[in-house]
Amino acid sequence: QSALTQPASVSGSPGQSVTISCTGTNSDVGTYNFVSWYQQHPGKAPKLIIYEGTKRPSGVSNRFSGSKSENTASLTISGLQAEDEAAYYCSSYAPISTYVFGTGTKVTVL
Amino acid sequence: QMQLQESGPGLVKPSATLSLTCTVSGGSMSPYYWNWIRQPPGKGLEWIGNIYDSGSTNYNPSLKSRVTISLDTSKNQFSLNLSSVTAADTALYFCARAGGYGSPFRYWGQGTLVTVSS
Repeated sequence: QSALTQPASVSGSPGQSVTISCTGTNSDVGTYNFVSWYQQHPGKAPKLIIYEGTKRPSGVSNRFSGSKSENTASLTISGLQAEDEAAYYCSSYAPISTYVFGTGTKVTVL
Repeated sequence: QMQLQESGPGLVKPSATLSLTCTVSGGSMSPYYWNWIRQPPGKGLEWIGNIYDSGSTNYNPSLKSRVTISLDTSKNQFSLNLSSVTAADTALYFCARAGGYGSPFRYWGQGTLVTVSS
């Protein structure tokens, strides 16, 4: 069970859009429609922002959107704001009722 | 409002067993999956395993030989035991709740730092 692959960092100016990829295999991301995304600020617990690939929990800004194509899921943050500066992790359901996380991406607002 | 709180020793000696408890408040323990997730300092998240309200468990294959997760619904608690720890097990340990099959981790504890050192 290997970690899903994410870029180590992405950056953008306020108001711009950034996209984070999350690449797995046909055993996890490619098989299950259970990809979720988490935002983690320093010293805090992760916060769920996208689940089942594209759905947003109540209270999460519609500036966050998710998609999936084959073995790669993506998170897009539109209208980047200073408060979006954080680490982002994807996660997928995986065989034998397990979960696997991505390697994590640090988003920097320039 | 669902709340989870981790508790346990902050320092564990090498080769010993790490034991943590997560106390759940603000809701029922059924029908949910109760998870342990860890994060080494400065690194990413790693799923350790979970337990369903029936008592059935699932573990990360890389940790399975050393992990036991148990549940005490009468106390609204679930626990993690990780045996034969080394410095590589030093991490911030989170407990989290997931719903049914494939569900995300919607509720998290604040995390507790466990350091493995003599």
